[in-house]
Amino acid sequence: EAGVVQSPRYKIIEKKQPVAFWCNPISGHNTLYWYLQNLGQGPELLIRYENEEAVDDSQLPKDRFSAERLKGVDSTLKIQPAELGDSAVYLCASSLGTGLTDTQYFGPGTRLTVL
Amino acid sequence: AQSVTQLGSHVSVSEGALVLLRCNYSSSVPPYLFWYVQYPNQGLQLLLKYTTGATLVKGINGFEAEFKKSETSFHLTKPSAHMSDAAEYFCAVISTDSWGKLQFGAGTQVVVTP
Repeated sequence: EAGVVQSPRYKIIEKKQPVAFWCNPISGHNTLYWYLQNLGQGPELLIRYENEEAVDDSQLPKDRFSAERLKGVDSTLKIQPAELGDSAVYLCASSLGTGLTDTQYFGPGTRLTVL
Repeated sequence: AQSVTQLGSHVSVSEGALVLLRCNYSSSVPPYLFWYVQYPNQGLQLLLKYTTGATLVKGINGFEAEFKKSETSFHLTKPSAHMSDAAEYFCAVISTDSWGKLQFGAGTQVVVTP
């Protein structure tokens, strides 16, 4: 079974430029998550989707971040414009359902460097 | 509100020695607890989880953890460290009190020396 796929794996951009990350969850997984992981810290949830609907985006900085999950499968996370403080690893995860005990499966992440 | 505290950001163990990673949580309702491992340049992989029932939980790669409600702890152990155990380990908690949001600790980096 293929895992969660993310691309690109690495991205270097200059501040004020836009950037987008793509995630393909495990087939059949209805719930998709985007996490932010700063260096030396644990992941922090940015947004959670149940199918096409964003059910928890309270931690997403909506002035510059946006996300979409068209057709309830793949998802894209965008930053426009990027700031120096956005340098981090962006992780995508998926789970079969929305239960508290449903295991979240993580992709390898996209490491963003903003210069 | 819930939170997770991992004691020790870095742990060094000798190959063959006991691995003990400490995790304490706070939650006003019964929590579900998880340990994840992250190898360099890889995503997080679930080691084990506690939901209900037996408080001693066995996971992959020889790891186990024990849920102790009275101590609000969920420490991770492995009797004999292997070089391949070198990685970062994250404890996480989720509960109905957090609207289903998985809360991670800051992580513990494990170094295994020959």
